[in-house]
Amino acid sequence: DQQVKQNSPSLSVQEGRISILNCDYTNSMFDYFLWYKKYPAEGPTFLISISSIKDKNEDGRFTVFLNKSAKHLSLHIVPSQPGDSAVYFCAAKAGNMLTFGGGTRLMVKP
Amino acid sequence: DSGVTQTPKHLITATGQRVTLRCSPRSGDLSVYWYQQSLDQGLQFLIQYYNGEERAKGNILERFSAQQFPDLHSELNLSSLELGDSALYFCASSYTGGMYNEQFFGPGTRLTVL
Repeated sequence: DQQVKQNSPSLSVQEGRISILNCDYTNSMFDYFLWYKKYPAEGPTFLISISSIKDKNEDGRFTVFLNKSAKHLSLHIVPSQPGDSAVYFCAAKAGNMLTFGGGTRLMVKP
Repeated sequence: DSGVTQTPKHLITATGQRVTLRCSPRSGDLSVYWYQQSLDQGLQFLIQYYNGEERAKGNILERFSAQQFPDLHSELNLSSLELGDSALYFCASSYTGGMYNEQFFGPGTRLTVL
Protein backbone atom coordinates (compact mmCIF):
# COMPACT_ATOMS: atom_id res chain seq x y z
CA ASP A 1 0.00 0.00 0.00
CA GLN A 2 1.97 2.95 -1.31
CA GLN A 3 0.53 6.09 0.23
CA VAL A 4 3.06 8.32 -1.50
CA LYS A 5 3.88 7.69 -5.13
CA GLN A 6 6.36 9.19 -7.53
CA ASN A 7 5.24 7.72 -10.80
CA SER A 8 8.18 8.87 -12.89
CA PRO A 9 11.31 6.91 -11.99
CA SER A 10 13.45 9.25 -14.08
CA LEU A 11 13.39 12.63 -15.79
CA SER A 12 15.86 14.19 -18.22
CA VAL A 13 15.98 17.97 -18.69
CA GLN A 14 18.22 20.41 -20.57
CA GLU A 15 20.27 22.84 -18.49
CA GLY A 16 18.46 26.14 -18.05
CA ARG A 17 15.00 24.66 -18.57
CA ILE A 18 12.40 23.87 -15.94
CA SER A 19 12.35 20.52 -14.11
CA ILE A 20 9.00 19.38 -12.76
CA LEU A 21 8.92 16.47 -10.38
CA ASN A 22 5.56 15.05 -9.35
CA CYS A 23 4.26 13.25 -6.32
CA ASP A 24 0.80 11.82 -5.58
CA TYR A 25 -0.57 10.74 -2.25
CA THR A 26 -3.63 8.93 -1.01
CA ASN A 27 -3.80 9.67 2.72
CA SER A 28 -5.88 12.78 3.43
CA MET A 29 -4.39 12.92 6.94
CA PHE A 30 -1.04 14.08 5.60
CA ASP A 31 -0.55 17.64 6.85
CA TYR A 32 3.01 18.44 5.86
CA PHE A 33 5.09 17.62 2.82
CA LEU A 34 8.83 17.70 2.23
CA TRP A 35 11.23 17.21 -0.65
CA TYR A 36 14.66 15.65 -0.21
CA LYS A 37 17.50 15.36 -2.68
CA LYS A 38 19.95 12.48 -2.71
CA TYR A 39 23.32 12.18 -4.40
CA PRO A 40 24.98 8.77 -4.82
CA ALA A 41 26.80 7.49 -1.73
CA GLU A 42 25.28 10.22 0.43
CA GLY A 43 22.23 10.47 2.64
CA PRO A 44 19.23 12.55 1.54
CA THR A 45 19.35 16.29 2.17
CA PHE A 46 16.35 18.48 2.87
CA LEU A 47 15.29 20.77 0.06
CA ILE A 48 11.95 22.43 0.72
CA SER A 49 8.69 21.81 2.55
CA ILE A 50 5.07 22.91 2.52
CA SER A 51 2.24 22.83 5.01
CA SER A 52 -1.13 21.49 3.91
CA ILE A 53 -2.68 24.90 4.61
CA LYS A 54 -0.62 26.44 1.80
CA ASP A 55 -0.61 25.81 -1.91
CA LYS A 56 2.82 27.15 -2.77
CA ASN A 57 6.21 27.62 -1.17
CA GLU A 58 9.21 29.12 -2.89
CA ASP A 59 12.91 29.07 -2.03
CA GLY A 60 15.23 30.41 -4.66
CA ARG A 61 15.11 28.19 -7.73
CA PHE A 62 12.86 25.68 -5.98
CA THR A 63 9.08 25.96 -5.72
CA VAL A 64 6.71 23.37 -4.33
CA PHE A 65 3.04 23.39 -5.31
CA LEU A 66 0.35 21.53 -3.42
CA ASN A 67 -3.04 20.64 -4.86
CA LYS A 68 -4.98 19.15 -1.96
CA SER A 69 -8.10 18.33 -3.94
CA ALA A 70 -6.03 16.29 -6.37
CA LYS A 71 -3.73 14.98 -3.62
CA HIS A 72 -0.82 16.03 -5.75
CA LEU A 73 2.34 17.99 -5.17
CA SER A 74 5.06 19.02 -7.50
CA LEU A 75 8.56 20.44 -7.24
CA HIS A 76 9.64 22.96 -9.84
CA ILE A 77 13.31 23.72 -10.36
CA VAL A 78 14.07 26.68 -12.59
CA PRO A 79 16.51 27.13 -14.11
CA SER A 80 17.81 23.57 -13.85
CA GLN A 81 21.53 23.13 -13.40
CA PRO A 82 23.76 20.08 -13.92
CA GLY A 83 24.42 20.02 -10.16
CA ASP A 84 20.70 19.36 -9.64
CA SER A 85 21.17 15.87 -11.08
CA ALA A 86 20.19 13.60 -8.21
CA VAL A 87 17.35 11.44 -6.93
CA TYR A 88 14.47 13.46 -5.48
CA PHE A 89 12.16 12.05 -2.82
CA CYS A 90 8.90 13.53 -1.70
CA ALA A 91 7.77 12.76 1.85
CA ALA A 92 4.49 13.28 3.66
CA LYS A 93 3.79 13.57 7.38
CA ALA A 94 0.79 12.32 9.32
CA GLY A 95 1.11 12.36 13.10
CA ASN A 96 4.56 11.09 13.93
CA MET A 97 4.99 9.16 10.71
CA LEU A 98 6.93 10.27 7.67
CA THR A 99 6.21 8.37 4.46
CA PHE A 100 8.53 8.65 1.48
CA GLY A 101 7.87 8.14 -2.19
CA GLY A 102 10.07 5.88 -4.30
CA GLY A 103 12.10 8.73 -5.77
CA THR A 104 12.63 10.28 -9.20
CA ARG A 105 16.08 10.41 -10.77
CA LEU A 106 16.63 13.80 -12.38
CA MET A 107 19.32 14.20 -15.02
CA VAL A 108 20.14 17.73 -16.13
CA LYS A 109 22.12 17.75 -19.35
CA PRO A 110 24.55 20.59 -20.12
CA ASP B 1 28.65 16.67 5.46
CA SER B 2 25.44 16.57 7.50
CA GLY B 3 27.21 16.02 10.83
CA VAL B 4 25.50 12.64 11.28
CA THR B 5 27.88 9.69 11.33
CA GLN B 6 27.06 6.07 10.73
CA THR B 7 29.23 3.01 11.18
CA PRO B 8 30.05 0.75 9.56
CA LYS B 9 29.77 1.93 5.96
CA HIS B 10 29.39 -1.59 4.64
CA LEU B 11 28.46 -4.83 6.32
CA ILE B 12 28.36 -8.29 4.78
CA THR B 13 26.94 -11.13 6.80
CA ALA B 14 25.08 -14.41 6.49
CA THR B 15 21.45 -15.34 6.98
CA GLY B 16 20.52 -16.00 10.57
CA GLN B 17 23.16 -13.67 11.96
CA ARG B 18 22.75 -10.56 14.08
CA VAL B 19 24.31 -7.15 13.41
CA THR B 20 24.39 -3.75 15.08
CA LEU B 21 24.40 -0.47 13.19
CA ARG B 22 25.55 2.64 14.96
CA CYS B 23 24.56 6.27 14.53
CA SER B 24 25.86 9.48 16.09
CA PRO B 25 23.50 12.43 15.61
CA ARG B 26 24.52 15.99 14.87
CA SER B 27 25.82 17.82 17.89
CA GLY B 28 22.84 19.15 19.84
CA ASP B 29 20.20 17.04 18.07
CA LEU B 30 17.98 15.09 20.43
CA SER B 31 16.02 13.02 17.95
CA VAL B 32 17.26 10.05 15.93
CA TYR B 33 15.38 8.32 13.14
CA TRP B 34 16.13 5.06 11.36
CA TYR B 35 15.15 4.32 7.76
CA GLN B 36 15.55 1.36 5.43
CA GLN B 37 15.97 1.74 1.69
CA SER B 38 15.65 -1.48 -0.28
CA LEU B 39 16.52 -1.75 -3.97
CA ASP B 40 12.98 -1.47 -5.25
CA GLN B 41 11.52 0.78 -2.58
CA GLY B 42 11.80 4.28 -1.28
CA LEU B 43 12.83 5.14 2.23
CA GLN B 44 10.86 3.21 4.80
CA PHE B 45 10.63 4.80 8.24
CA LEU B 46 11.53 2.29 10.93
CA ILE B 47 11.67 4.01 14.29
CA GLN B 48 12.35 7.31 16.06
CA TYR B 49 13.92 8.06 19.42
CA TYR B 50 13.82 11.38 21.19
CA ASN B 51 16.14 12.06 24.10
CA GLY B 52 16.43 8.38 24.92
CA GLU B 53 12.77 7.48 24.60
CA GLU B 54 10.99 5.79 21.73
CA ARG B 55 8.83 8.45 20.03
CA ALA B 56 7.38 6.81 16.93
CA LYS B 57 7.36 3.42 15.29
CA GLY B 58 7.00 2.70 11.60
CA ASN B 59 7.41 -0.46 9.58
CA ILE B 60 9.93 -2.06 11.88
CA LEU B 61 10.04 -5.84 12.05
CA GLU B 62 9.97 -7.61 15.40
CA ARG B 63 13.45 -8.99 14.61
CA PHE B 64 14.73 -5.42 14.63
CA SER B 65 15.20 -3.25 17.68
CA ALA B 66 16.81 0.06 18.45
CA GLN B 67 17.84 2.17 21.39
CA GLN B 68 19.21 5.61 22.10
CA PHE B 69 21.85 5.97 24.76
CA PRO B 70 22.40 8.81 27.28
CA ASP B 71 25.04 10.34 25.00
CA LEU B 72 22.30 10.36 22.32
CA HIS B 73 23.96 7.97 19.94
CA SER B 74 21.70 5.22 18.69
CA GLU B 75 22.05 1.61 17.66
CA LEU B 76 19.83 -0.45 15.39
CA ASN B 77 20.00 -4.18 16.06
CA LEU B 78 18.97 -6.57 13.31
CA SER B 79 18.68 -10.25 14.21
CA SER B 80 17.83 -13.54 12.48
CA LEU B 81 18.82 -11.84 9.27
CA GLU B 82 17.15 -12.81 6.01
CA LEU B 83 18.18 -12.16 2.41
CA GLY B 84 15.43 -9.56 2.16
CA ASP B 85 17.02 -7.48 4.90
CA SER B 86 19.77 -6.48 2.47
CA ALA B 87 19.35 -2.73 2.12
CA LEU B 88 20.75 0.69 2.84
CA TYR B 89 20.02 1.75 6.40
CA PHE B 90 19.98 5.47 7.06
CA CYS B 91 20.02 7.29 10.32
CA ALA B 92 18.81 10.88 10.55
CA SER B 93 18.70 13.39 13.36
CA SER B 94 16.87 16.58 14.25
CA TYR B 95 16.85 18.94 17.20
CA THR B 96 13.20 18.48 18.07
CA GLY B 97 11.01 15.42 17.96
CA GLY B 98 8.41 16.70 15.54
CA MET B 99 8.41 15.49 11.96
CA TYR B 100 7.93 19.08 10.75
CA ASN B 101 11.58 19.70 11.18
CA GLU B 102 14.29 19.10 8.68
CA GLN B 103 16.05 15.84 9.30
CA PHE B 104 19.76 15.53 8.67
CA PHE B 105 20.74 12.19 7.20
CA GLY B 106 23.91 10.22 7.62
CA PRO B 107 25.63 8.54 4.65
CA GLY B 108 24.03 5.18 5.40
CA THR B 109 25.18 1.65 6.14
CA ARG B 110 24.90 -0.84 3.29
CA LEU B 111 23.97 -4.25 4.64
CA THR B 112 24.37 -7.31 2.45
CA VAL B 113 22.98 -10.61 3.70
CA LEU B 114 24.31 -13.64 1.84
